[in-house]
Amino acid sequence: GAVVSQHPSWVICKSGTSVKIECRSLDFQATTMFWYRQFPKQSLMLMATSNEGSKATYEQGVEKDKFLINHASLTLSTLTVTSAHPEDSSFYICSARRASQPYGYTFGSGTRLTVV
Amino acid sequence: GENVEQHPSTLSVQEGDSAVIKCTYSDSASNYFPWYKQELGKRPQLIIDIRSNVGEKKDQRIAVTLNKTAKHFSLHITETQPEDSAVYFCALGDTGFQKLVFGTGTRLLVSP
Repeated sequence: GAVVSQHPSWVICKSGTSVKIECRSLDFQATTMFWYRQFPKQSLMLMATSNEGSKATYEQGVEKDKFLINHASLTLSTLTVTSAHPEDSSFYICSARRASQPYGYTFGSGTRLTVV
Repeated sequence: GENVEQHPSTLSVQEGDSAVIKCTYSDSASNYFPWYKQELGKRPQLIIDIRSNVGEKKDQRIAVTLNKTAKHFSLHITETQPEDSAVYFCALGDTGFQKLVFGTGTRLLVSP
């Protein structure tokens, strides 16, 4: 089956530093990658959608200069949280979709980010 | 944007009882309606989905019903078991499936 590997699974960083999260599709080509953020006891909130080779489309209220998304290849997408602050502490999770399966969303295992 | 309301936010049942979770939405262009189960700290797992050309779908103890006219869809779990305890999310696929929008979630607790 389709697998998306997400790393790291957890990370602790200091305020003001940047953190990069990677999502790799292991056995399929992810033409579209979705990035979500989930605060404790809340729902998954879509941050942005990226298509391979194109600039990401950000949801309203999400700062594109703070959450940098790169989707330069069909198997790798990255989310970089720049100048992280404690309020950025959350569970970040990616979801990949291939063009041949528009109903198939494969989720990564998530990254628990804690900013101290 | 899309708006998905999910009820109830918490649901406690006894083992063997049925559980029903309902979602209502506003975007009539939505045509893909999946349900996910999420355990603490884990990724959401797809448990069942339905497309707009179908009114009901069943998979063993789990079923989903869709009323496109009224813009709501529901998850039905029969003969609940303690291992069904988790948070359940409904979601909507928008036109063209460019993104998946999640409901607010329901915490289901099944007591032995």
